[in-house]
Amino acid sequence: DTGVSQDPRHKITKRGQNVTFRCDPISEHNRLYWYRQTLGQGPEFLTYFQNEAQLEKSRLLSDRFSAERPKGSFSTLEIQRTEQGDSAMYLCASSTDRDENEKLFFGSGTQLSVL
Amino acid sequence: AQTVTQSQPEMSVQEAETVTLSCTYDTSESDYYLFWYKQPPSRQMILVIRQEAYKQQNATENRFSVNFQKAAKSFSLKISDSQLGDAAMYFCAYRRAMEYGNKLVFGAGTILRVKS
Repeated sequence: DTGVSQDPRHKITKRGQNVTFRCDPISEHNRLYWYRQTLGQGPEFLTYFQNEAQLEKSRLLSDRFSAERPKGSFSTLEIQRTEQGDSAMYLCASSTDRDENEKLFFGSGTQLSVL
Repeated sequence: AQTVTQSQPEMSVQEAETVTLSCTYDTSESDYYLFWYKQPPSRQMILVIRQEAYKQQNATENRFSVNFQKAAKSFSLKISDSQLGDAAMYFCAYRRAMEYGNKLVFGAGTILRVKS
């Protein structure tokens, strides 16, 4: 098992463009989380999935953001009409609810820069 | 809403020495979990230690231990025998116990520098 994978590692885009990030969780993990980390801050929760169902979305997730996990495996996070304020690192994490402690495993993130 | 505060933006420690990172939190809940995560330059968050609020005994993981003061809402991390590999950003995090899903509330982090 290679852990949680995120692609791309870096993304530079122009304001107004759409971007999509991908997260591949640990294979047996049924829960998947997206967090956003801005410079000098800790990660902030965005949304999470139990299998393919999106169970909760933070108020931080504006209408321009959409996340999917179509088959309960990998997930995508799309940002439409990007703004400079979207510049951040987007972290994905996964876990299994069969683990009593439900330890979170994080990926290395996608660093987004909006010019 | 729960908040987590790390008042030390940056700390330094000499190799082999001991350092303590501070964390305070605010909650009205009685049952919750507290965590310390390490984020090295590779950016991958790594769990260092976990504390359950209903347990009075402080958690310990090898060279890492916590001082959990529930009444004071304080949760400090002590790193003993510091090593160069301990250099990283450290985040304190909180999670409600009676909540579906593993949603963490993080502090702003403390950069730890280890001098050789």
